[in-house]
Amino acid sequence: NAGVTQTPKFRILKIGQSMTLQCTQDMNHNYMYWYRQDPGMGLKLIYYSVGAGITDKGEVPNGYNVSRSTTEDFPLRLELAAPSQTSVYFCASSVDRASLYYEQYFGPGTRLTVT
Amino acid sequence: DAKTTQPPSMDCAEGRAANLPCNHSTISGNEYVYWYRQIHSQGPQYIIHGLKNNETNEMASLIITEDRKSSTLILPHATLRDTAVYYCIVRVAEGNTGKLIFGQGTTLQVKP
Repeated sequence: NAGVTQTPKFRILKIGQSMTLQCTQDMNHNYMYWYRQDPGMGLKLIYYSVGAGITDKGEVPNGYNVSRSTTEDFPLRLELAAPSQTSVYFCASSVDRASLYYEQYFGPGTRLTVT
Repeated sequence: DAKTTQPPSMDCAEGRAANLPCNHSTISGNEYVYWYRQIHSQGPQYIIHGLKNNETNEMASLIITEDRKSSTLILPHATLRDTAVYYCIVRVAEGNTGKLIFGQGTTLQVKP
């Protein structure tokens, strides 16, 4: 298994541009998450999904959109990029809620700079 | 979910045990304690979790006090590769969407 994969690894955007961060997992996990991590800080939850077709907001959803059309993919869309969105973005997935463990598996991250 | 308090940084000599404390004085009876770590620039990695009993796996041991208001993560023989930020998180395990709330964690520096 490749686990959780993210593309691209790095990206520089100009203010006002848009882009989609891709996330794919091959572990058949129902739950998927998007976090952002600003320098020297912990991770903050942007959006999450408990299954295909179901998404919900996390702590910092403004400026982002998500969709979940398949179990495997959970893309994050940035519309009208702003410098405040400069951050490292991590995607994660976890096993079904029936499990007590809720271990989350994280991707390698996408480093985004908005200038 | 309960809030946690961790020291911002700690040092440990290579080969010695690293003991990382976490206070969670407002923890509820159905909340678990989870530990993750983040090695520089990588995604966080799950280490261990527990409810009230002490737990051990191939990576670490977790000691939870009897009143459950604090816990300690123990890395028995720290290596240079254990240098990372360690996050203590408390959350319910059931009836939940699996969300993790990360604080700022403890930066552990293992020194030769």
